[in-house]
Amino acid sequence: DVKVTQSSRYLVKRTGEKVFLECVQDMDHENMFWYRQDPGLGLRLIYFSYDVKMKEKGDIPEGYSVSREKKERFSLILESASTNQTSMYLCASRTQGSTGNTIYFGEGSWLTVV
Amino acid sequence: QQQVKQSPQSLIVQKGGISIINCAYENTAFDYFPWYQQFPGKGPALLIAIRPDVSEKKEGRFTISFNKSAKQFSLHIMDSQPGDSATYFCAASTVSGYSTLTFGKGTMLLVSP
Repeated sequence: DVKVTQSSRYLVKRTGEKVFLECVQDMDHENMFWYRQDPGLGLRLIYFSYDVKMKEKGDIPEGYSVSREKKERFSLILESASTNQTSMYLCASRTQGSTGNTIYFGEGSWLTVV
Repeated sequence: QQQVKQSPQSLIVQKGGISIINCAYENTAFDYFPWYQQFPGKGPALLIAIRPDVSEKKEGRFTISFNKSAKQFSLHIMDSQPGDSATYFCAASTVSGYSTLTFGKGTMLLVSP
């Protein structure tokens, strides 16, 4: 089974802190994604990566950055956390070749910024 | 931003009934339409998907109906069960390997016993 693991399920951080959300996938997928999920707003794409060292902005990249130094690991970074970044963050991965390939999601990281 | 509009936002169906969730899209280049199911505390998981070369796809109790001319597609859950209670997201994209999915805002389905 494909597994996308988000190591931190629940985090509480203070405004202005630097926050790292880590994601690891075990299926040698080329593509990885970070989404944000908010009630009534659905899933919004923050950043994605087609392969190691590559990154592309999604729909809401402001306030976020990403790092992909290894194929299996994709990190989301909040440089200076703000209360409006309180949300659930979902990491996902997909094999390269076709958007018709299934995207596999992790179980999410709940971030509260106080 | 290309949109996918999903309705209703929430839905209550009695056990054994039919649940219907609708989505509409704008981009005529979209050619891949998946539905994702998400249970509380879990990430979304692919439920069923369709390409526009067919008007309907059925997998067990789940059916996607697709209307290319109207740019609409819908999910039908037959004989709905309490275990189907979840949030459902429609999505759309082109099949190009470098495109990403555009998701609807989700529908919270509650199937009452």
